[in-house]
Order: sequence, then C-alpha cells, then structure tokens
Amino acid sequence: GAVVSQHPSWVICKSGTSVKIECRSLDFQATTMFWYRQFPKQSLMLMATSNEGSKATYEQGVEKDKFLINHASLTLSTLTVTSAHPEDSSFYICSATVGREGGYTFGSGTRLTVV
Amino acid sequence: QKEVEQDPGPLSVPEGAIVSLNCTYSNSAFQYFMWYRQYSRKGPELLMYTYSSGNKEDGRFTAQVDKSSKYISLFIRDSQPSDSATYLCAMSSAARQLTFGSGTQLTVLP
Repeated sequence: GAVVSQHPSWVICKSGTSVKIECRSLDFQATTMFWYRQFPKQSLMLMATSNEGSKATYEQGVEKDKFLINHASLTLSTLTVTSAHPEDSSFYICSATVGREGGYTFGSGTRLTVV
Repeated sequence: QKEVEQDPGPLSVPEGAIVSLNCTYSNSAFQYFMWYRQYSRKGPELLMYTYSSGNKEDGRFTAQVDKSSKYISLFIRDSQPSDSATYLCAMSSAARQLTFGSGTQLTVLP
C-alpha cells in the first residue's frame, strides 16, 4: 500500500533554533500533502495544505512565517518550524491523499520538544 | 458546536467483546468517511474508508454510514488487546480537506 515516510521521528532543539521535518511519499506521487499538529490526548488539527509547486494554504491562526512549508516535488513536502519556542512542542504529522477514491495516508509523526 | 462530535471515552472492554464507536456530524457536505487507529506516539493508520451511506466490512471491522442521520459507526468484533488504541473518525467533502473527531481511547482487557 501507499506509504508516507516522515523524518525525523523525534527531535529536541533549543529555543530560538529552527527545525525541519520531511514528509515523503514513497511509492506514489502526492500533489497535495497536509500538515497536522496534535497535542497530548487531543485530535489532529490541520495546520496547512501543501500543494506541489505553489504556496501552501494555512489554516486560520497558523503563522505562515513561523511554520514554513515547501512542496518542491511530487514526493516531498517539508515543514520548518522557525525560531522554535517551548509552546511549539507538539506532535507534527503529515498526510497525503492516495488517488481520488483512496483515503489519506499518514506519516508516523514527529515529536518536537523545544527546551 | 463542533463539526464532528466523538465521545472521547475512555472505553474499556473485555477481550472478545464487540466494540461500538460512533461519531455524529453537522456538515451535510461530507461525503467521504474514514476511521483511523492511532497508537501512542504514532501516526494514524487508516482502517476503513467509505463513500456516502452504507456498510463496509473488512475482517473484524464494520463501518456504517447513515447520512440521513449524520451518524457513522465502527464496530470491532472479537476485540483483542492489540486493538487498544485511540480511534479517530474523519470525514471530508469533495474539497478533500479532512475533519477529525476528537478520538475515542479504547482499552481491551485480556
């Protein structure tokens, strides 16, 4: 089946630094990828929709200058958390649609801890 | 009111029990309905995918969608301890953006 690979699975960084998270579709082309954020014991909250070759569409309340999304190819989307702060600590998950009738495949998630 | 409502649980059942998980929604534009299983600190795993109303069965899992009542269900037969996880309902319209329920935490006791 379709696989979305997300890397790294966990990262610890110092406050003020930037962190890049990669999301790759391994055996299919993903023109659209989605980035979610999940706090403990809460559901996934959509942050932005990433479209290959164009600017991402951010959800209301998500700072586009803080969460930089790049979707430069049909198999790779990246999320960069810039000038990270402890409140950015969370579980970040990407997903991609698999064809018109398929569901969404999710990456394994990245646990970000900002200290 | 949230677009998708899901009882967060937690729900504990003995091994072998039938589990019923439910979601209600308010947006009549939703056409695609999904159930995901999420283990702790992992990404969601697609269990069932249904388009419009009806039933779908896959092994021990059965998904039901009643668009007239705006109600979807997931049934797990012969539940196993390995089924212990958080179950998320999700749905989308033709625009394809997913809306999630809050998730139900399930524990199957051996």
